[in-house]
Order: sequence, then structure tokens, then C-alpha cells
Amino acid sequence: DAKTTQPNSMESNEEEPVHLPCNHSTISGTDYIHWYRQLPSQGPEYVIHGLTSNVNNRMASLAIAEDRKSSTLILHRATLRDAAVYYCILREGGADGLTFGKGTHLIIQP
Amino acid sequence: NAGVTQTPKFRILKIGQSMTLQCTQDMNHNYMYWYRQDPGMGLKLIYYSVGAGITDKGEVPNGYNVSRSTTEDFPLRLELAAPSQTSVYFCASTMGRWGDTQYFGPGTRLTVL
Repeated sequence: DAKTTQPNSMESNEEEPVHLPCNHSTISGTDYIHWYRQLPSQGPEYVIHGLTSNVNNRMASLAIAEDRKSSTLILHRATLRDAAVYYCILREGGADGLTFGKGTHLIIQP
Repeated sequence: NAGVTQTPKFRILKIGQSMTLQCTQDMNHNYMYWYRQDPGMGLKLIYYSVGAGITDKGEVPNGYNVSRSTTEDFPLRLELAAPSQTSVYFCASTMGRWGDTQYFGPGTRLTVL
């Protein structure tokens, strides 16, 4: 899987939007961009994924740059429960496991 | 659906002991995975399986063995436990289609003393 770069940590206030950036300059044409998050003492959970177009679901939005070399996970209105480590991962389908970096530790202030 | 379940939740082993970490999924997923997560780090792939009877090594397979006799179960065996195997172990599964997501279990926290 291609490499991704994320900030080590970010801080935001409750009820404000959060934009989590991810750079993936070596992405291939068949790599999907996946975001997972890991709440304290839990296993990772899927947040959202996309290939070329921006994506929305009940948890978040994913904005993908036109050249696909970067993406941004958007939490529209952060809550304290969104405090977690967020991982940006590139992968194709099939057998390959996910390649996790250190992710971004998101801190939410009340 | 219960999703992906793992047992036990916690375990303490002495150096040289062996144990099996259990993983079961009820989503009829073809692909299953074992990861380990050391403190402050991301997950690393130990072994994976694309179906019953088929397994393959991941990034960090040394000291571990797996088997996949059914679609639902994917146990991880630790032989001769060492302190370096102190970690949190996560099992995951996915159908394996293009771009598909992985579903993770709650993890097993293992300490080797």
C-alpha cells in the first residue's frame, strides 16, 4: 500500500467542524482512500472511503483533491465522542491487510 | 449480527507458555486478518486468510501460527511466548471486494512476563 502522511495530533472545540488532512502523493489510480478511527481501548472502526469523488455518510465527509494526492476528512460538528486516533489508509480490494501509520490523535475540548 | 468476536479480553502469560487467541465472525466474510498493536503505534499485520484452508504471512508473522478450518473461525496460536509479544491483538474480517471495508473485533490484551 502507498504511504500516507498525517499530522500527529490536532485539537478542536466541541460542536465545531474538524478538518483532518492526509497527504498521499504516491497514490496509484486503483487505490481507494479509507479512513478508520480508533476510540480509546477499542478496535478500529470504519469511517468513510472514496476513490475520486467526494463522499458523504452519516459520520463524516471525505474531500478528495482533484489530483488525488491529498484528502481531508471532515467531521461537521465534533462531539466529545469523536476524540480518537484517525487513520488515513490507501488500499485496493482483495486480500491485502490495512497498512496503519500512527494516525492523527484528535483531541476535542468541551 | 455479533460481528467479529474475540476471546479472551485479557491474558497474562509467563515466558515460554503457549496460548490460542480465538476469533469468530458471523458475517460470512471470506477474508480474515490478525493484527497486533504496540503502545502508541498503528496496527501491524501478522497473518491473513482468504478462505478456509488458505493462510498467508503478513508483516510480522514470527512467533505465531494460524489455521482456518471454517469460514467463521481464525484462531491465532502463540508458541513459546516472549515479552516482545506483549501487545493488543485485533482480529478483522472483510468480504474482500474492491475497496471493501474491514470490521474489527474488540481486541485481546496480552502481557508476557
